[in-house]
Amino acid sequence: AQSVTQLDSQVPVFEEAPVELRCNYSSSVSVYLFWYVQYPNQGLQLLLKYLSGSTLVKGINGFEAEFNKSQTSFHLRKPSVHISDTAEYFCAVPSGTYKYIFGTGTRLKVLA
Amino acid sequence: GAGVSQSPSNKVTEKGKDVELRCDPISGHTALYWYRQSLGQGLEFLIYFQGNSAPDKSGLPSDRFSAERTGGSVSTLTIQRTQQEDSAVYLCASSFSGGEIYEQYFGPGTRLTVT
Repeated sequence: AQSVTQLDSQVPVFEEAPVELRCNYSSSVSVYLFWYVQYPNQGLQLLLKYLSGSTLVKGINGFEAEFNKSQTSFHLRKPSVHISDTAEYFCAVPSGTYKYIFGTGTRLKVLA
Repeated sequence: GAGVSQSPSNKVTEKGKDVELRCDPISGHTALYWYRQSLGQGLEFLIYFQGNSAPDKSGLPSDRFSAERTGGSVSTLTIQRTQQEDSAVYLCASSFSGGEIYEQYFGPGTRLTVT
């Protein structure tokens, strides 16, 4: 069965510093991986997705993630964060043909 | 175009009352999903609609929960005899089809508080 683990529930980081949000997955089938972002009082918005091809995936707002099959990871990175990046970030993997399994989320807090 | 909309945005209800949560998906999206987001629990899948039928209701936590979709569009999630543990944010999402590679578009959610 597919699953995702986000070990960091909260990540504080100063503005303009780099950040990495960790996601590890468990899957016995072909792997598709997603990162979603949830800004305060809003729904989730797709940041980026890995379906196949290049293992380095670029998304919106300067975020990128690297699919690492040997480490079963799909960590999210940004070289320089802004205050506006303060949000909750969810890693997700499909389970079956339509259902998504979401991680428990990582709350990114960017400090001035 | 318009995104997924949900109403109400906030709902406070007394324990034991019934509530109805509404979701308007993006026009043309055949697949619709309901999730529950509880503090520290991530997103919990509740139910999936393809058109008006629900091939997967496996995530509904109890028989107090039900959902329907009419006209391949609007969906209503009903919780009967609400309990305090039902307090959560209920998110609706839609996609072009029920497929694992299709992006799901989420609404802003309904925050339900049961007192």
